[in-house]
Amino acid sequence: AQRVTQPEKLLSVFKGAPVELKCNYSYSGSPELFWYVQYSRQRLQLLLRHISRESIKGFTADLNKGETSFHLKKPFAQEEDSAMYYCALMAGGFKTIFGAGTRLFVKA
Amino acid sequence: GAVVSQHPSWVICKSGTSVKIECRSLDFQATTMFWYRQFPKQSLMLMATSNEGSKATYEQGVEKDKFLINHASLTLSTLTVTSAHPEDSSFYICSASTGGATYEQYFGPGTRLTVT
Repeated sequence: AQRVTQPEKLLSVFKGAPVELKCNYSYSGSPELFWYVQYSRQRLQLLLRHISRESIKGFTADLNKGETSFHLKKPFAQEEDSAMYYCALMAGGFKTIFGAGTRLFVKA
Repeated sequence: GAVVSQHPSWVICKSGTSVKIECRSLDFQATTMFWYRQFPKQSLMLMATSNEGSKATYEQGVEKDKFLINHASLTLSTLTVTSAHPEDSSFYICSASTGGATYEQYFGPGTRLTVT
């Protein structure tokens, strides 16, 4: 079954602290994984994708096929990082399966 | 670049009526458009995938006769909720993709539908 699991609905950290948003997936093929972010009152937007191996706004995510994980990390959280984060899996035919989302709250 | 608009941003309709939601890619040609539904505090659920000029592919459990999707051009897709009921009240979001190797989707701002 194709599934994306984000175990934490809410993650609260202090500014400057490291943050890790967990994502696990279930997919029989070779996965294409993404992180999307939705800031307050804004539309969903792509944060990063695993094939690019890029760092956006200080966030990185490494695909671990052994653990079927794609956790999102940032060493020093900023208040402007507060948002809803969705992990997503691209299945066949461009179909995207979204996780339930994790709300990150960065406290001053 | 890569802006997707939706119209209307919110709509209220009475039970039994139909409502049409438009999704437009403003500055690029979208070979594929997606329609999602999002309930409060829940994730996006894919309803259907549409490719320009062909019939939409609906996800399991989504009634194709109730949620009519038309993708008549490379910049416009429409979702028509027919004979709406209160349980159809939700946030509907479209996204568009050029279908290139990056698979990137560009999302619209969403349309909030309330059926009274």
